[in-house]
Order: sequence, then C-alpha cells, then structure tokens
Amino acid sequence: GNSVTQMEGPVTLSEEAFLTINCTYTATGYPSLFWYVQYPGEGLQLLLKATKADDKGSNKGFEATYRKETTSFHLEKGSVQVSDSAVYFCALNDQGAQKLVFGQGTRLTINP
Amino acid sequence: ETGVTQSPTHLIKTRGQQVTLRCSSQSGHNTVSWYQQALGQGPQFIFQYYREEENGRGNFPPRFSGLQFPNYSSELNVNALELDDSALYLCASSSSYRVPAYFGPGTRLTVL
Repeated sequence: GNSVTQMEGPVTLSEEAFLTINCTYTATGYPSLFWYVQYPGEGLQLLLKATKADDKGSNKGFEATYRKETTSFHLEKGSVQVSDSAVYFCALNDQGAQKLVFGQGTRLTINP
Repeated sequence: ETGVTQSPTHLIKTRGQQVTLRCSSQSGHNTVSWYQQALGQGPQFIFQYYREEENGRGNFPPRFSGLQFPNYSSELNVNALELDDSALYLCASSSSYRVPAYFGPGTRLTVL
C-alpha cells in the first residue's frame, strides 16, 4: 500500500539555521505530494504541494521538490524563525483517491 | 481563522459507550473528511462525505459511521468504544474533490 516516511524527530535548531526535513514515499501510480504544518493549539494547514515529478512547491520561505527518481519530497527552508516551531507532516494523495496518507510528523523547535 | 470548527474540544468516555463528534465546515465547502490521529502519529483517513453521501472510506470498522447535513456540517459517530479509539479526531472541509487546505483543531477523545 501507499506510505510516507518522515525523518525521526524532534528537530531542534537555532534561529536563522538551514532546515531540511526528509520525506520519502511509496506509492503506485503518480501521487500528488503535500506538506502540512500544525502550529501549537491549531489544526493542520496546507503549507505547499506538488502534483507531478520535478514540480517545486513553495510557501512562506519553505520549498520542496517532487523527486520521482528518489521518491522523495524533502522540506527545506534557508533561514528558520522561532515562529516556524510546529509539527510538520508530509502526505500523498493518489490521483482520483479521496484520502491523504500522512507520515508520522516531525516536531520542529526553533530556539532564539 | 480557518472556518472549520469542531465540538467538543475534549471528551472522556468509558469502554463500550457511544460518542458523537461534530464538525462545521468552511463556508462554500461541500466535502468533509474525518481523520484519526493517535498520539505521536500522523492522521489516518476514516471517511469522506460529499453532498451528504459517503464518498470513500479508510480501514476503519463499521462502528465508525458518519453523517453530512444539507448545510454540509458533519458528525462522526463511534459505537462500542474501545481503548484504542483514544485519539485526536480531525475534520477537514474542501470544495468538491479538492485536497483540504485546513483542518479543524480536533476533538481529543479519551476512552477509559
């Protein structure tokens, strides 16, 4: 079946550090890929997405590139802020399927 | 403000009881999805409703059931509660078959 694997957390960085959160997937067909973010006390919200190979999704300084050859969708940000502290979830959605399949989440803490 | 609200915020039940969770979708959204998020895990798809009809179901037993109303709000019902049903239950709304951009803050269910 389809699955998503994220790097183990938690991840702790200093402000202005470079961030990478790894995400790999297993899927039949050609899924769309997503990153969701869950800030403390809030629901998940869509951060960025990519619908086909080599697409780059970007939002709020975060980027992720759909790499079909390595089945990966790693999340990156060049300079993190304290306000980026949250739990990040990688997910996929099969074409025509109604459900999102999520990874286990990575908790990110940014220290000033 | 995401527009997706859920009630109640927290709930404590005992094994064997029944529970109803509620979700109000964002204005203009006709599709509601429900997810279960166990502690430390990513959300798992329970089912989706589109225009009052179930439109996709995950690997959950029939004691998990739902409803969607003409105003597109929704309920999740769980019968014969088990200890493993303890989790955060998330609702998300979207328009037609789009992937949800926002989830509600969730209902934390504890089964004793």
